[in-house]
Amino acid sequence: NAGVTQTPKFQVLKTGQSMTLQCAQDMNHNSMYWYRQDPGMGLRLIYYSASEGTTDKGEVPNGYNVSRLNKREFSLRLESAAPSQTSVYFCASSEALGTDEQYFGPGTRLTVT
Amino acid sequence: AQSVAQPEDQVNVAEGNPLTVKCTYSVSGNPYLFWYVQYPNRGLQFLLKYITGDNLVKGSYGFEAEFNKSQTSFHLKKPSALVSDSALYFCAVRDSGWGGTGFQKLVFGTGTRLLVSP
Repeated sequence: NAGVTQTPKFQVLKTGQSMTLQCAQDMNHNSMYWYRQDPGMGLRLIYYSASEGTTDKGEVPNGYNVSRLNKREFSLRLESAAPSQTSVYFCASSEALGTDEQYFGPGTRLTVT
Repeated sequence: AQSVAQPEDQVNVAEGNPLTVKCTYSVSGNPYLFWYVQYPNRGLQFLLKYITGDNLVKGSYGFEAEFNKSQTSFHLKKPSALVSDSALYFCAVRDSGWGGTGFQKLVFGTGTRLLVSP
């Protein structure tokens, strides 16, 4: 039982390049989330998926797109990377929205030059 | 709008002493409150949550937290700190209501670094 896995662990992009961050969970959770973590700012929600087939914007969605590929997988795409997107990205999942605790992946450290 | 504050960037405590990491919150409805811990280069791990019921919540690794509605606080505590407790701790809150736009997201504090010295 791997929990929540993320790939890649590290990535360096040049401004304007695109990439997709992959996330998968094996806990049969319905809800999945993408966060970014920046120093002194805690975690901020980028997008979430309440259940398979649905996605919604979070607090900071600009510059990102997501795909809930199936119940297990939730990817985050940067179409044209900007230095302001340098951050650590975390994927998380929970059984449902609401009172359930979230389980986090190990994170992807992204640097945009 | 919901918000959470962790007033201390860092808390220092000697091993064996009790520790407290402070958290205060603001929501319009009833709060759902969570504590998470983050070790270096790792994702966040769930410690405990308050949804309803007993104000004293017990969680993983000997941690507990007390919900105080009048003071809008949810401080994390442990009777005897271990060096291995050194990490970054996050408090998070979610409003129990659904609001006009639906899902009320989980809002995280900025984190408190706990340093336990031998």
